[in-house]
Amino acid sequence: GESVGLHLPTLSVQEGDNSIINCAYSNSASDYFIWYKQESGKGPQFIIDIRSNMDKRQGQRVTVLLNKTVKHLSLQIAATQPGDSAVYFCVETQAGTALIFGKGTTLSVSS
Amino acid sequence: NAGVTQTPKFQVLKTGQSMTLQCAQDMNHEYMSWYRQDPGMGLRLIHYSVGAGITDQGEVPNGYNVSRSTTEDFPLRLLSAAPSQTSVYFCASRNRGGTEAFFGQGTRLTVV
Repeated sequence: GESVGLHLPTLSVQEGDNSIINCAYSNSASDYFIWYKQESGKGPQFIIDIRSNMDKRQGQRVTVLLNKTVKHLSLQIAATQPGDSAVYFCVETQAGTALIFGKGTTLSVSS
Repeated sequence: NAGVTQTPKFQVLKTGQSMTLQCAQDMNHEYMSWYRQDPGMGLRLIHYSVGAGITDQGEVPNGYNVSRSTTEDFPLRLLSAAPSQTSVYFCASRNRGGTEAFFGQGTRLTVV
């Protein structure tokens, strides 16, 4: 079946920098694309979602961009903090189905 | 508000044993799912349910059974444990049509 994948398994940034985590998806029929954050020893936690008919959505310190032409999704984190260190998953879903997770990108923030 | 509760948190099984991982949610969510997480593999969907009495297979259903007799509970049964089922298991729930899933704390299962 089709799956969501990520470009890079790890990303290291300095505290205060902006982080960009990328994701390539293959299922153009998905209705929503979502970013989840997983801290060590915990279950994933919702960050932000974007509907397939949008190209940008902003939250608190985070922005998600969707480029359907090239099937690319990104998560931008402004002023990255040590507490942002975690594994980030891009997730896709269609109405009436389950969430499908990609393999994740590990973000490491050094101070 | 307890959210999603998984039990047990840790379990060691011998090959061939059976057991049930429990999952309960108190948010009246219609959708519930089970995932397993292995190093470097992300979360892989085992089974999911869109409502009481309805279940469907995910990406890796072999060796696992589920049932959904109530909205609140979604147990995962391992029929005959194998070392390949050593993993961390997560249960999640969300509203119908919602994108925000709530996850339990996970069950770390080791099969020896």
